[in-house]
Amino acid sequence: EIVLTQSPGTLSLSPGERATLSCRASQTISRSRLAWYQQRPGQAPRLLIYGESGRAAGVPDRFRGSGSGTDFTLTISSLEPEDFAVYFCQHFGGSPPWTFGQGTKVEIK
Amino acid sequence: QVQLQESGPGLVKPSETLSLTCTVSGYFISSGYYWGWIRQSPGKGLEWIANVYHSGDTDYNPSLMSRVTISVDTSKNRFSLNLRSLTAADTAVYYCVRPFGVPAAIFDYWGQGILVTVSS
Repeated sequence: EIVLTQSPGTLSLSPGERATLSCRASQTISRSRLAWYQQRPGQAPRLLIYGESGRAAGVPDRFRGSGSGTDFTLTISSLEPEDFAVYFCQHFGGSPPWTFGQGTKVEIK
Repeated sequence: QVQLQESGPGLVKPSETLSLTCTVSGYFISSGYYWGWIRQSPGKGLEWIANVYHSGDTDYNPSLMSRVTISVDTSKNRFSLNLRSLTAADTAVYYCVRPFGVPAAIFDYWGQGILVTVSS
């Protein structure tokens, strides 16, 4: 089972700033097998990014996934007010179980 | 627009069985796709539980496999989850989801979630 560790736990930033969120895997995985989700308070998670270049419907291009091996990054180029939320990475390769990181909260500074 | 809606009890007793149903609208389950369940708790975060295909084929999380059954009812356009031998650790928000991809493990549609508390 792949264990995903996200850091930092909380990121305090201002609107307009760049956010860099990290997801580290317990073993080498392909970026084509990684997804990112956003969860706003009181809502279900929402798919943002998947695979090498997949972007879910309606997701703005300020969200970008990158990385390789065991280290992956979600970058939000310029934070909008609606981007302050919790973000999860998820691995979906090989055999079940499909696992999630514990989340990074992006809060307003 | 695909919509998923969970239903079931909000409170169940330890050792009992949880039964949840997800009703799908905007798409016929019999047309394809897998359908699944994910739960979220403060202690364990997001945890994938199981997927079921419209044909009835299933995938289970090995950690829960011995206690879980997922099934589909295409005639009612819904699918269900049974989780047996409940403990307090099963307290969570349970989401029904639609996964896609190969494997079917990217979750693009989610229900609003239902909070299930296990307590006597």
